[in-house]
Amino acid sequence: DGGITQSPKYLFRKEGQNVTLSCEQNLNHDAMYWYRQDPGQGLRLIYYSQIVNDFQKGDIAEGYSVSREKKESFPLTVTSAQKNPTAFYLCASSGTGALNTEAFFGQGTRLTVV
Amino acid sequence: AQSVTQLGSHVSVSEGALVLLRCNYSSSVPPYLFWYVQYPNQGLQLLLKYTSAATLVKGINGFEAEFKKSETSFHLTKPSAHMSDAAEYFCAVSESGAGSYQLTFGKGTKLSVIP
Repeated sequence: DGGITQSPKYLFRKEGQNVTLSCEQNLNHDAMYWYRQDPGQGLRLIYYSQIVNDFQKGDIAEGYSVSREKKESFPLTVTSAQKNPTAFYLCASSGTGALNTEAFFGQGTRLTVV
Repeated sequence: AQSVTQLGSHVSVSEGALVLLRCNYSSSVPPYLFWYVQYPNQGLQLLLKYTSAATLVKGINGFEAEFKKSETSFHLTKPSAHMSDAAEYFCAVSESGAGSYQLTFGKGTKLSVIP
């Protein structure tokens, strides 16, 4: 089945640690996105990538980093510089043509600082 | 810049009653508009989308939305609520004509269905 796979579903981070969230898609989409979701705040864009080896900062990129070495994969690293990382993280992908504008989402990773 | 406002962070309806979730958008170019649904601890699922074809858009699970340019609105409706409709709903906008179709989301409306 085509779709987006995020792993792990739950992740716990100690203070000062970097952690990496995985996102893989087999939809052959060019564009991939990372969103952060906090209660009552909707989804906020962290980073996005329209093509392999290229990515742009979104609205809340500070304390995060990404890579796009393969079309299928767009991992997100939450660094120790992110002071409030506890949140639900959603990865998405979409086509880049005018008729393929909707985003498809993974099931999310819930990150908790312990 | 594009933005989305969803009126009402929480809406309660009785089972069988009309569902109306409100969404207003701001966009400097003709927009693409979307409604997504999210169940607890899950990702978002597309309900329906408007991409400049018919202004009345039908989606899954009996939902529909009407694009009204004069009111910059894209409200979501369903004639008769079902218990399984209880979830959080997000309206989103992206701008046509740009190379990137990144979405801007509203803050969401949580729908409760009372038996």
